[in-house]
Amino acid sequence: AQTVTQSQPEMSVQEAETVTLSCTYDTSESDYYLFWYKQPPSRQMILVIRQEAYKQQNATENRFSVNFQKAAKSFSLKISDSQLGDAAMYFCAYRILQGGSEKLVFGKGTKLTVNP
Amino acid sequence: NAGVTQTPKFQVLKTGQSMTLQCAQDMNHEYMSWYRQDPGMGLRLIHYSVGAGITDQGEVPNGYNVSRSTTEDFPLRLLSAAPSQTSVYFCASSYDLGSSYNEQFFGPGTRLTVL
Repeated sequence: AQTVTQSQPEMSVQEAETVTLSCTYDTSESDYYLFWYKQPPSRQMILVIRQEAYKQQNATENRFSVNFQKAAKSFSLKISDSQLGDAAMYFCAYRILQGGSEKLVFGKGTKLTVNP
Repeated sequence: NAGVTQTPKFQVLKTGQSMTLQCAQDMNHEYMSWYRQDPGMGLRLIHYSVGAGITDQGEVPNGYNVSRSTTEDFPLRLLSAAPSQTSVYFCASSYDLGSSYNEQFFGPGTRLTVL
């Protein structure tokens, strides 16, 4: 079964500091995509960053970057220079094509608090 | 573009009542899906559609029906609501499966409470 595990239900960080959110996944697929979504209190799901499994280079988007370790099936998110607006639930997910359909499998989320 | 829209934003039902959660997108996306989000559970796939007239079950389909008569709309029906269906429901859409860098766009969600 495909699963995504986020081992940190809650994390906190001081404003302007760096925090890393962990994610591991289990899949037998060789071709897939990985995502981090942010869900602020508004409930809107916002795509933060994505990574193709066949690319060795880690994706970066401004203050957000990932550490993708394919062999270890690990996909952590690093937030640099944390801002108050980064406070949210963060979900790790991977996308697979299965039986002619597309599926996003989500982890249970990590609640990030940013302290001023 | 309005993106993905969902109505209503909030709904309270009594056990046994029926209702339809509406979802529409104006991006001409072929793929649409419904998720439910429960505390501590992340998002779980209920039903999905790869195009008009084609639907299939996801991880937690029991108690829900869907149809896809147009590309734009993908309603989710609860035929006889149960307290276990209390949740936040998200509709999402994306380009067809041929797109290799697919991003799912999410609606704002519907918070449903079943008493």
